[in-house]
Amino acid sequence: AQSVTQLDSHVSVSEGTPVLLRCNYSSSYSPSLFWYVQHPNKGLQLLLKYTSAATLVKGINGFEAEFKKSETSFHLTKPSAHMSDTTEYYCVVTQSGGYQKVTFGTGTKLQVIP
Amino acid sequence: GAVVSQHPSRVICKSGTSVKIECRSLDFQATTMFWYRQFPKQSLMLMATSNEGSKATYEQGVEKDKFLINHASLTLSTLTVTSAHPEDSSFYICSARDPTASFYGYTFGSGTRLTVV
Repeated sequence: AQSVTQLDSHVSVSEGTPVLLRCNYSSSYSPSLFWYVQHPNKGLQLLLKYTSAATLVKGINGFEAEFKKSETSFHLTKPSAHMSDTTEYYCVVTQSGGYQKVTFGTGTKLQVIP
Repeated sequence: GAVVSQHPSRVICKSGTSVKIECRSLDFQATTMFWYRQFPKQSLMLMATSNEGSKATYEQGVEKDKFLINHASLTLSTLTVTSAHPEDSSFYICSARDPTASFYGYTFGSGTRLTVV
């Protein structure tokens, strides 16, 4: 069994300030974790992934996330928010390897204000 | 990189008609594809797992006779919404994973906005 919880449905930050989107997971197996971004009425774009290699993962557009097994967390961060970061973010968990079921978090809407 | 093409991007149909949505892996072969549904301001919910050459596996609560899935080739899966009703109006997204890729990650189509009137 697996689940993922995105602790904040909305996050609002000022442009140029740090971003923190929180994600906690539960998995009976060794998980693979992802962050995806979804722009309005569009598909999803992969930001970054954790697949049992380095625990600090760097993604596109300056985002990174750290896998903390002891805290069962995979929070997404960015040092300096940009207006273009305003959109919906999804934390995703699946079992490592193979074609396993993918479980989505409920999403976090990030709004960057000028 | 892996690309998944989904068509159409938007469709409006009358209640009682059927609508087919196509999902194609453009530069890789996908033995497994996934179909999701997303209601407004909600997360993606897995509807079914589409397996090439065999029957799809449906999630609990998803009517297999209403949402027909066909995965006839390694690059194409289709979702047909039969006898559509307004409550079927939603955003449908498919995804696939390139089995030859060195990284784990599911590539998503751009989605189909279905509106049943």
